[in-house]
Amino acid sequence: NAGVTQTPKFQVLKTGQSMTLQCAQDMNHEYMSWYRQDPGMGLRLIHYSVGAGITDQGEVPNGYNVSRSTTEDFPLRLLSAAPSQTSVYFCASSSLGSGGGYTFGSGTRLTVV
Amino acid sequence: SQQGEEDPQALSIQEGENATMNCSYKTSINNLQWYRQNSGRGLVHLILIRSNEREKHSGRLRVTLDTSKKSSSLLITASRAADTASYFCATDASSGGSNYKLTFGKGTLLTVNP
Repeated sequence: NAGVTQTPKFQVLKTGQSMTLQCAQDMNHEYMSWYRQDPGMGLRLIHYSVGAGITDQGEVPNGYNVSRSTTEDFPLRLLSAAPSQTSVYFCASSSLGSGGGYTFGSGTRLTVV
Repeated sequence: SQQGEEDPQALSIQEGENATMNCSYKTSINNLQWYRQNSGRGLVHLILIRSNEREKHSGRLRVTLDTSKKSSSLLITASRAADTASYFCATDASSGGSNYKLTFGKGTLLTVNP
């Protein structure tokens, strides 16, 4: 089925460890983005990309890196995990210019201990 | 910072009743979107209304937009237990209406009791 695939679904990290959250979409969407969702905070934008080789920061980019080497993939890297990065992470994509809604992945629940 | 704020934070109704949720925002927008999130799942796009539109329908959903008051409402008619979810409004305030960087509110938790 077409859509946005995120892996892993769950992850526990120790403080200071690094890891990459994977996101892939098969809809040929130009736009991809990462959000984090915390209780009572709604969703906050971390990074986004409007095409291969083009990325930009969102509202809460500190502690995260992204790259976009292909249209399909948009991985999110945690450089040195901190307990404050405990959250649920969502990847979303959309077709630029369509004025349409975003397609979200099912999320990665990350706990940093 | 949140652009949109939903009201109420939580809403509990009986099956068959209508549910109304509101969203207020702060700056001019290109469009406003509503999403649903079932517990533990990703968000699902429900409906998009552009700044030059006042009302839009999709099945049992009716969305209104009042740009002068910077507010929107989502009405779900004849609610079902399966409508139980959190509902979020999201606004596109990007220059040129690029739909980048959607800003989400904190959501309304709707519970529909059978």
